[in-house]
Amino acid sequence: GESVGLHLPTLSVQEGDNSIINCAYSNSASDYFIWYKQESGKGPQFIIDIRSNMDKRQGQRVTVLLNKTVKHLSLQIAATQPGDSAVYFCAENADSWGKLQFGAGTQVVVTP
Amino acid sequence: EPEVTQTPSHQVTQMGQEVILRCVPISNHLYFYWYRQILGQKVEFLVSFYNNEISEKSEIFDDQFSVERPDGSNFTLKIRSTKLEDSAMYFCASKSGGGAKNIQYFGAGTRLSVL
Repeated sequence: GESVGLHLPTLSVQEGDNSIINCAYSNSASDYFIWYKQESGKGPQFIIDIRSNMDKRQGQRVTVLLNKTVKHLSLQIAATQPGDSAVYFCAENADSWGKLQFGAGTQVVVTP
Repeated sequence: EPEVTQTPSHQVTQMGQEVILRCVPISNHLYFYWYRQILGQKVEFLVSFYNNEISEKSEIFDDQFSVERPDGSNFTLKIRSTKLEDSAMYFCASKSGGGAKNIQYFGAGTRLSVL
């Protein structure tokens, strides 16, 4: 069936380096994608979103790239900090009611 | 900053008992959701709610589950007869408007432990 999934379950990054988290999606009709960050014991926290009519969107220290040709989404975190340690989920807006379909999640571990 | 609040943070119950998980969405929001996350797994959609009725529900949301917005501010999820496999984190979310662009804001979750 249609699904959103992540390539890497765990990403270890040295503090100050850039992080790249990848996500593949299979529903070519999806038109809106979101990255959420989840810290231990907390709910998903919105990071950045992108519509399918865009290829790139930048926020504060984060950039989301969308490649519709290969149905791939990535989140880049610049100058990764210890506070960036968390699980990152990509999600796809699956219908007009706002139902989100989440990927499996990538654990980012920032090392000193 | 407005936030979605959920109570209790942790609920322990015996199998077969009824539980009600409570949520107060952000005040001007019109669309409400429940999701669950089994430990170590991804977040799964349960149900969406708009204009005082369910707009969509997943296969997980069977007749043991119900939602209600009893007083215009609270949004509750009831599980009538809990099963061991209902143990999970339950997240409430809300957004202000329709269409894909509106961001869903999540609460901190309720951890449900069914013994």
